[in-house]
Amino acid sequence: DAGITQSPRHKVTETGTPVTLRCHQTENHRYMYWYRQDPGHGLRLIHYSYGVKDTDKGEVSDGYSVSRSKTEDFLLTLESATSSQTSVYFCAISEMASGGAANTGELFFGEGSRLTVL
Amino acid sequence: GEDVEQSLFLSVREGDSSVINCTYTDSSSTYLYWYKQEPGAGLQLLTYIFSNMDMKQDQRLTVLLNKKDKHLSLRIADTQTGDSAIYFCAEKGYRDDKIIFGKGTRLHILP
Repeated sequence: DAGITQSPRHKVTETGTPVTLRCHQTENHRYMYWYRQDPGHGLRLIHYSYGVKDTDKGEVSDGYSVSRSKTEDFLLTLESATSSQTSVYFCAISEMASGGAANTGELFFGEGSRLTVL
Repeated sequence: GEDVEQSLFLSVREGDSSVINCTYTDSSSTYLYWYKQEPGAGLQLLTYIFSNMDMKQDQRLTVLLNKKDKHLSLRIADTQTGDSAIYFCAEKGYRDDKIIFGKGTRLHILP
């Protein structure tokens, strides 16, 4: 299994409080992603990173920020949590495909962080 | 923006073949993927196909790609109870590093 650790695995917080989720990898992969999974919506991309200090927005980035100060850590921050951000958050890593090369861009997922905002 | 669509549910009898379909909108997609998610777990890659291929077979799994219609399918032969899971279609475009997922198809196995 790819070395990906998400923390915390479970968190309950109140509306308006800041929350930070951490994704830590030991694979030295270049790409890291944050997704949220909700019933009826599947998996939606929040933000992703293609290197240290290099990040970009995904499909549902409003209300979220990210930081990647070193290769192994990718932080997802909710500055002021809302009930609509109650979800299961998944981190994923990848070395990314390079058209025809052996690397297929396969994503390796963490076990998920369940966040409940009351 | 990119979009990936798939039906939400599929019921199949044990021993029959399952066919899960997916459509996508990004004509520049380079790789298309099928991921499997078992209850309480993260997703794991089942198989993938490069956009210049039209078919890929891997044991009980067959992936068909119709690039003209932007249609991808996953066939699971001799479906077993252990195949019960949510199956996600995903695509990676040429222009950026995003990987976009569909909503997932929940496969239910009937005895």
